[in-house]
Order: sequence, then structure tokens, then C-alpha cells
Amino acid sequence: EPEVTQTPSHQVTQMGQEVILRCVPISNHLYFYWYRQILGQKVEFLVSFYNNEISEKSEIFDDQFSVERPDGSNFTLKIRSTKLEDSAMYFCASSDASGIGEQYFGPGTRLTVT
Amino acid sequence: AQSVTQLGSHVSVSEGALVLLRCNYSSSVPPYLFWYVQYPNQGLQLLLKYTTGATLVKGINGFEAEFKKSETSFHLTKPSAHMSDAAEYFCAVDSGNTPLVFGKGTRLSVIA
Repeated sequence: EPEVTQTPSHQVTQMGQEVILRCVPISNHLYFYWYRQILGQKVEFLVSFYNNEISEKSEIFDDQFSVERPDGSNFTLKIRSTKLEDSAMYFCASSDASGIGEQYFGPGTRLTVT
Repeated sequence: AQSVTQLGSHVSVSEGALVLLRCNYSSSVPPYLFWYVQYPNQGLQLLLKYTTGATLVKGINGFEAEFKKSETSFHLTKPSAHMSDAAEYFCAVDSGNTPLVFGKGTRLSVIA
């Protein structure tokens, strides 16, 4: 069964450093999302991406964040200058064009900022 | 705007007992409703979903949920809890290819 994959599974970085989190969505999906989950809290939406552009973003997704689909398969989230409060689990998700909206989630990348 | 409320951050049941996890939603458009399960140190796995049609939906691992429009609820049930059901459960709502709005989650503990 097709699945969403994410790398790395765990990333440790120092405050102020740039990180890139990588995702490979399901191949025929057209909508891509990033969510984050701070430890012990609920899953929060960051950004959605469709037709090679951001379709929606939350308040969390400020100028230090960016997303890119550099080729036909990868979908990346870049955090330009990490802060301690960026420590969280980051989930990538994708969905097809059916309009039903079932999103398939990757296993997540745990980001630890020290 | 859409929102989801999950009553009870922690529910504890005995093995073999009924599981009931509550979810209420608000949405200005017909909602699509989902239950996801998260096992420790893992990602989110879809348990079941309601989009249209039959209001009682069956999912994996013996779980089911009933969409009640009049009560704006989508409670998750399982007749008999198993130790392997211990996990965090999230209710979520969207309108189709829109960002999912999640509840805060309910941690289910199963006691032997």
C-alpha cells in the first residue's frame, strides 16, 4: 500500500540553525500539508500546498518557514532560523483530488532544538 | 470556522469493556469527520471517516463512529477494549481538501 515517508525521523539542531524536513507524498496525490504537534499538545496545521503554490497557511507559518516541491516527488519544509519553541513532531500529509479530503500522514520527524 | 472538542483528555477502561470516546464539532459547511489513532512514537493512522451517506461508519480494529448532525457529534466506540487499543485518539474535521482541524486528543488506557 502506498505511504507517505518522511526523513529524518529525528533531527537535533542548535537554536538559530536552518533545518530542512523532507517528505515524499503518495505519488498520485495533489494536495500536500505540513502539521506539527508540540509534545503533549494537539496537532496543528501549518501549511497546505497545491499546484506548486501555498494554498493556505496558519498563523504559525511565519517568515521563518518555507515549503518547496523541488522535484516531482519531494515536499520539503524549511525552518530558516530555529527557535527552542520549534521543537515538535512535524507531520507531512497528502491527499488526492477526489475532494473527500482523506489525508494520509507520514510517520513524522521529531525536531529537537537545543 | 471549524472546531473540534474532545471531552476527556484521558479515558481508562478495563479490558473487554466498552470504549466510548466523545467528539463534538462545529462547522458552517457539511463536514467530513475523521478519527485518527496515534500509537507511542508513531504517526497518525486513520481509523475511520465520515463523508456522506450512512451515518454509522465502521473502521479498522473493530471501531465505529456515528455521525449525529442534530447533536454535532461523532463519538467513537468499540464494544470490547483490547490492550492493544491503548493509544492517543484524535477527532478531526475538514470540508474536503482543506486543512484538518484536530481536537486535543484523548489518551485511552486499557487496564488488564
